[in-house]
Amino acid sequence: EAGVVQSPRYKIIEKKQPVAFWCNPISGHNTLYWYRQNLGQGPELLIRYENEEAVDDSQLPKDRFSAERLKGVDSTLKIQPAELGDSAVYLCASSLQGRPYEQYFGPGTRLTVT
Amino acid sequence: QQQVKQSPQSLIVQKGGISIINCAYENTAFDYFPWYQQFPGKGPALLIAIRPDVSEKKEGRFTISFNKSAKQFSLHIMDSQPGDSATYFCAANDRGSTLGRLYFGRGTQLTVWP
Repeated sequence: EAGVVQSPRYKIIEKKQPVAFWCNPISGHNTLYWYRQNLGQGPELLIRYENEEAVDDSQLPKDRFSAERLKGVDSTLKIQPAELGDSAVYLCASSLQGRPYEQYFGPGTRLTVT
Repeated sequence: QQQVKQSPQSLIVQKGGISIINCAYENTAFDYFPWYQQFPGKGPALLIAIRPDVSEKKEGRFTISFNKSAKQFSLHIMDSQPGDSATYFCAANDRGSTLGRLYFGRGTQLTVWP
């Protein structure tokens, strides 16, 4: 069974530029999460989807971050414009509905903003 | 404010030794406590988890000890191997959040010397 797929794996952009990350969750997982992991820290939740609905986006900086999961499968996280402090690894995870404690993570996208 | 406090930040153990990582929390709404293992360039992977109504759970060389009254839990890795060298994160699921949310500790970087 394929795991969570993310692309790109690495991205280097200049500040004020836009960037987008893509995630394909494990088949059958209705719940999808985006996390940000700063260097030397644990993952921090940005947004959680149940199917197409964003049920927990309280930690998403909505002035510059947006996310979508149009058909309840793939998801895209966007930053526009990027700032130096956005440099981090962006992780996507998925789980079966009702089992948030058993999340499966993708490899992440390492973003460097220069 | 860090919801789950993890220590030590780094740990060096000789091959065959016991690795012990500790975590503490205050939120009584936490109802599930997973541990994740992360190798460089990879996303975190679920290692083992425990519910608060159980004091100990063992899977192979990995054991979680849970002290509900003290609000503390720990991961013990018996007969530590060089292949166990990774970053370990404790986490806690908040059932009070909409359908649950995982909070992660800051991580412990484990190095096992051969």
